[in-house]
Amino acid sequence: DAGVIQSPRHEVTEMGQEVTLRCKPISGHDYLFWYRQTMMRGLELLIYFNNNVPIDDSGMPEDRFSAKMPNASFSTLKIQPSEPRDSAVYFCASSFGGLAYNEQFFGPGTRLTVL
Amino acid sequence: GENVEQHPSTLSVQEGDSAVIKCTYSDSASNYFPWYKQELGKGPQLIIDIRSNVGEKKDQRIAVTLNKTAKHFSLHITETQPEDSAVYFCAASRGYGGSQGNLIFGKGTKLSVKP
Repeated sequence: DAGVIQSPRHEVTEMGQEVTLRCKPISGHDYLFWYRQTMMRGLELLIYFNNNVPIDDSGMPEDRFSAKMPNASFSTLKIQPSEPRDSAVYFCASSFGGLAYNEQFFGPGTRLTVL
Repeated sequence: GENVEQHPSTLSVQEGDSAVIKCTYSDSASNYFPWYKQELGKGPQLIIDIRSNVGEKKDQRIAVTLNKTAKHFSLHITETQPEDSAVYFCAASRGYGGSQGNLIFGKGTKLSVKP
């Protein structure tokens, strides 16, 4: 299995632009998580889906952030408009079953830089 | 909500020495404590976990201990090797689905093993 796939690996954009991050979970996994990692705040859960349905988006920082999962093999995280404070590494993870006991498999991340 | 504190933030050891990373948590209902290893340019990967019904768990050179009374848990790596160099994250959760089952991560420990 190829593992969780994220694209792009690096994204540099200017303030005010729209940014779309993409994720392909491991086949057969029914839970998908989006995390943000910064030096100041560490790893934070933004949102997670179960069977393509958003379950908890309480970690989404503000309305500029949105996430979708149109099917079991694809999810997007969109930031519009982007701001310099959004600069971070964004990880997608997936698991079979949503219990924390079930290992979450992380993708390689997307490093976002907003100038 | 849950809060996880992790110490130290950086740790440097000589190859062959032991390394210990400590975490404390605040939610007495937390019952699942995984440890993740993050290598440069990669996403976190689960290396070992422990549930609240056991006090210690070992897997080759890695061991975790849990003190529920004091609400702290530790990662022990013996006979360290250069390939152990990475950032290690502890996490805690209530271990079941829904927002209360989310993993709350510590800020990470950068371990450097010098040859």
